[in-house]
Amino acid sequence: AAGVIQSPRHLIKEKRETATLKCYPIPRHDTVYWYQQGPGQDPQFLISFYEKMQSDKGSIPDRFSAQQFSDYHSELNMSSLELGDSALYFCASSPPRTGGRDTQYFGPGTRLTVL
Amino acid sequence: LAKTTQPISMDSYEGQEVNITCSHNNIATNDYITWYQQFPSQGPRFIIQGYKTKVTNEVASLFIPADRKSSTLSLPRVSLSDTAVYYCLVAKGYSTLTFGKGTMLLVSP
Repeated sequence: AAGVIQSPRHLIKEKRETATLKCYPIPRHDTVYWYQQGPGQDPQFLISFYEKMQSDKGSIPDRFSAQQFSDYHSELNMSSLELGDSALYFCASSPPRTGGRDTQYFGPGTRLTVL
Repeated sequence: LAKTTQPISMDSYEGQEVNITCSHNNIATNDYITWYQQFPSQGPRFIIQGYKTKVTNEVASLFIPADRKSSTLSLPRVSLSDTAVYYCLVAKGYSTLTFGKGTMLLVSP
């Protein structure tokens, strides 16, 4: 079965540079979530989109922005990168809302290293 | 958001049944209980989800008592490849997931 695709899988940047992470949800999934997981930490929610509109916002720095496009893929844009931004960034998607429950399916993640 | 508490770590041996209990005393009426498994440097993987009583799938069972203030994930006959971090999450549908401290399960030969 098709899974969530994230690109790139690995990214190395210098401080103060910018980075763009991409997420391609499972086909026909309309909700995308972004999570950040620092070394030895638990995943932390950043932001989510439902039907191309921002639906919820977590601990996302002002230096970061994201959007969901008409084909439902999403991009996380990160500017003025700091050393502390080094982490695994996961994207998750969930299927159309037909009932009270849903399941989020996670991608393999993008490992961002800021030097 | 309902807070969850689960053991920091558990040890087991291959072939044993492992039960990981999670407490969520302030779970809301419309909250579901979901368990995820995570291997190092990989995305969390959905294991099982339930609302009440017992749910079973091909990899695990989830036991939820009537008061729903706790839940137990049961992994039958674990193998070395089940060594991972297991997260218990409580949330209503279509909401963000708040990951707490998961349980590091170590399975030994």
